Amino acid sequence: RKEVEQDPGPFNVPEGATVAFNCTYSNSASQSFFWYRQDCRKEPKLLMSVYSSGNEDGRFTAQLNRASQYISLLIRDSKLSDSATYLCVVTPFDTGRRALTFGSGTRLQVQP
Amino acid sequence: DTGVSQNPRHKITKRGQNVTFRCDPISEHNRLYWYRQTLGQGPEFLTYFQNEAQLEKSRLLSDRFSAERPKGSFSTLEIQRTEQGDSAMYLCASSLAPGSNYGYTFGSGTRLTVV
Repeated sequence: RKEVEQDPGPFNVPEGATVAFNCTYSNSASQSFFWYRQDCRKEPKLLMSVYSSGNEDGRFTAQLNRASQYISLLIRDSKLSDSATYLCVVTPFDTGRRALTFGSGTRLQVQP
Repeated sequence: DTGVSQNPRHKITKRGQNVTFRCDPISEHNRLYWYRQTLGQGPEFLTYFQNEAQLEKSRLLSDRFSAERPKGSFSTLEIQRTEQGDSAMYLCASSLAPGSNYGYTFGSGTRLTVV
């Protein structure tokens, strides 16, 4: 079983739609959580951190459910420029492993 | 210093040859990471340094792979006797501290093609 699992998609949505991505992680020691965005043939870039209380950044809302080991990302009012792969990322800082563990990503295609 | 710099951007090599990639992190970042990404997958952790010390290596890092960060600044990743399965994007990232809200900054990567 992968440490971080995501639905690969693709999610094809019209402009203006609301779309949600989910992610589950297996390591209960995971301490920090992020969503990264990756455009085709580019490097991943941090989209937002995910806090236990949930957090919002403009049209983007992230939620964390530690009990279910589940993370979500909601994108409202989708734009063409939101088309990308969204990577769910966790890391257990209470162990020796300091690095990020990535999911395989969920591909979003926003259509005009 | 505008970010993490990786060179070369692309490398095509014949199977069996050795290749070396370079990463220059953000200057004040003391942590440096190497990842590998293949098509349709997320980046996979290879190794990381805190200053010049290599603190962890993934089991993905076979004996043919070696990484160094001799002065705690730039790092090199060498692959000896390349195989076709080594074809991937090799990403370098740096960070100032774990658990920060800043995440990690990635370089643009080196795309390796082994023919």
